Amino acid sequence: EAQVTQNPRYLITVTGKKLTVTCSQNMNHEYMSWYRQDPGLGLRQIYYSMNVEVTDKGDVPEGYKVSRKEKRNFPLILESPSPNQTSLYFCASSLLSGLTDTQYFGPGTRLTVL
Amino acid sequence: GESVGLHLPTLSVQEGDNSIINCAYSNSASDYFIWYKQESGKGPQFIIDIRSNMDKRQGQRVTVLLNKTVKHLSLQIAATQPGDSAVYFCAESYHTGANSKLTFGKGITLSVRP
Repeated sequence: EAQVTQNPRYLITVTGKKLTVTCSQNMNHEYMSWYRQDPGLGLRQIYYSMNVEVTDKGDVPEGYKVSRKEKRNFPLILESPSPNQTSLYFCASSLLSGLTDTQYFGPGTRLTVL
Repeated sequence: GESVGLHLPTLSVQEGDNSIINCAYSNSASDYFIWYKQESGKGPQFIIDIRSNMDKRQGQRVTVLLNKTVKHLSLQIAATQPGDSAVYFCAESYHTGANSKLTFGKGITLSVRP
């Protein structure tokens, strides 16, 4: 089944404890992206990647890192999480640029930083 | 966990009626538009898209209308069903020089009354 998977689905952590949220797609998509979703603010892009080893900042990149060492995986790294990073996170992928192609979203990761 | 639909405007319709969900987009240079559906506890799911050289596109039970003059996008759902209850987002894509940007609206909650 074609899909985007994220792990973990739920995570409660404490301020300053490094964490990684994994994202993987099995559709051979070139474009991958991370979003956070907050009440009243909608989906905001954190980082995106047009292809392997190519990553760029989105609208809200502060406090986040990403890597794209292989096509299928695009992990989101929070080196020192803070409570304002409590949010619902979505990974998405699309065949090409993601801007004129359908983006497929993962199921989401709900992160709480205490 | 908190629903993504909290704090959003709500459209309530009777089962079997047609629904019209509206979206005002911000950039007259946007050239690609997408509607997404997000059910509780899930990631956004692609419904239908339209490019700026069109003003109407139909899918299965859904129609998207684009009015570039007033920067307005609408999603029409025929014979609304309980399974259509969800949060609906529009998204616009536009190019800024060498870069491109995809921006999501905040969403509208559709509630279907049995």
